[in-house]
Amino acid sequence: GAVVSQHPSRVICKSGTSVKIECRSLDFQATTMFWYRQFPKQSLMLMATSNEGSKATYEQGVEKDKFLINHASLTLSTLTVTSAHPEDSSFYICSAREGVGLAGELFFGEGSRLTVL
Amino acid sequence: GEDVEQSLFLSVREGDSSVINCTYTDSSSTYLYWYKQEPGAGLQLLTYIFSNMDMKQDQRLTVLLNKKDKHLSLRIADTQTGDSAIYFCAEKEAGSYQLTFGKGTKLSVIP
Repeated sequence: GAVVSQHPSRVICKSGTSVKIECRSLDFQATTMFWYRQFPKQSLMLMATSNEGSKATYEQGVEKDKFLINHASLTLSTLTVTSAHPEDSSFYICSAREGVGLAGELFFGEGSRLTVL
Repeated sequence: GEDVEQSLFLSVREGDSSVINCTYTDSSSTYLYWYKQEPGAGLQLLTYIFSNMDMKQDQRLTVLLNKKDKHLSLRIADTQTGDSAIYFCAEKEAGSYQLTFGKGTKLSVIP
């Protein structure tokens, strides 16, 4: 199947710094990518929908100024956690939709674990 | 809003069958999915079923859908230790590419 890659897989940063996470579709073009956050023993929470060439659509309760999303090309979306705090520590997962997909199939990245000290 | 419910834990012996259950509330769901998440990793799509189907089999995996009761199940035959993971049920409503996930069922396989 299609491959979605995230980088970095793990990142540790100091409180107050910003962290950028990349999500790449390696063998297909993705007009739409999704960013999720997963708390321990919890399900995935959709944070935002990232559309190539336009502004991201954020879910209710997600601060767009804190979680900056850029989808500059058909194969790359980035999530920047600005002025990170310990409560932002989480597992962030992206997914990308391949074309129109028979089942609207989403391919998921490996996830990025952010730890804010 | 839409809701997807799963039991949180399931423990089975190696070689037995595992059955993971899921219920959902959105009657307009078009596709229902099962994803597997191994520790520290992202999600891997295992299988999916169209809402107009009631069963789908793929090697050791059997998905059963009862649309009337909004109940979905995943059966894993001959469960192996490598099947130990968290299994997420997800549904996609008509006209949307967004998925609503359950909380996941942690499957533990006892050797």
